[in-house]
Amino acid sequence: GIQVEQSPPDLILQEGANSTLRCNFSDSVNNLQWFHQNPWGQLINLFYIPSGTKQNGRLSATTVATERYSLLYISSSQTTDSGVYFCAVEEDTGNQFYFGTGTSLTVIP
Amino acid sequence: GAVVSQHPSRVICKSGTSVKIECRSLDFQATTMFWYRQFPKKSLMLMATSNEGSKATYEQGVEKDKFLINHASLTLSTLTVTSAHPEDSSFYICSAREGEESYGYTFGSGTRLTVV
Repeated sequence: GIQVEQSPPDLILQEGANSTLRCNFSDSVNNLQWFHQNPWGQLINLFYIPSGTKQNGRLSATTVATERYSLLYISSSQTTDSGVYFCAVEEDTGNQFYFGTGTSLTVIP
Repeated sequence: GAVVSQHPSRVICKSGTSVKIECRSLDFQATTMFWYRQFPKKSLMLMATSNEGSKATYEQGVEKDKFLINHASLTLSTLTVTSAHPEDSSFYICSAREGEESYGYTFGSGTRLTVV
């Protein structure tokens, strides 16, 4: 099946700093989403972004499907941004939806 | 937007008993739902694809007799952990998609299972 790798695995930021999270995938996809998992386990959908660029407040995401990666940008980070960020992809050839390895973000005051 | 409801959110059961987890799409029909398992500080592992009116498709290494999936209607899929053991303790989460393309997948709030 498709491999989905995220980097970095762990990230510690000072409040107010910016960061870039990366998601690499090994095959063509027709769906890519970014999620934030809160401490209670709830997955919050951030972006549905199989290609192109989207922005929502301090967050933006870009997917370059031809090069098989996606980036999530967090600007002016806040302590409430802490948690685990996952990308997940759906292969072109099937309808299974696989998660990446995750990035654990800690924003300190 | 699409809402997926999962119940119960937390369950503790004794070894040897079975536990049923429900996943409902509240305001849309879902011919396909997915079940995931997550260990502490790990990613979500796809267990199986639940197909309405037909058998579930299990990922490699997932015991279909241990994790029974039923998708009897377009709004409900259930996961039953049979003869549970402590190593089955985990966070289980389901997902569904409202439309074919535009909305992506929505996830339930998860079920934390503890087998004692």
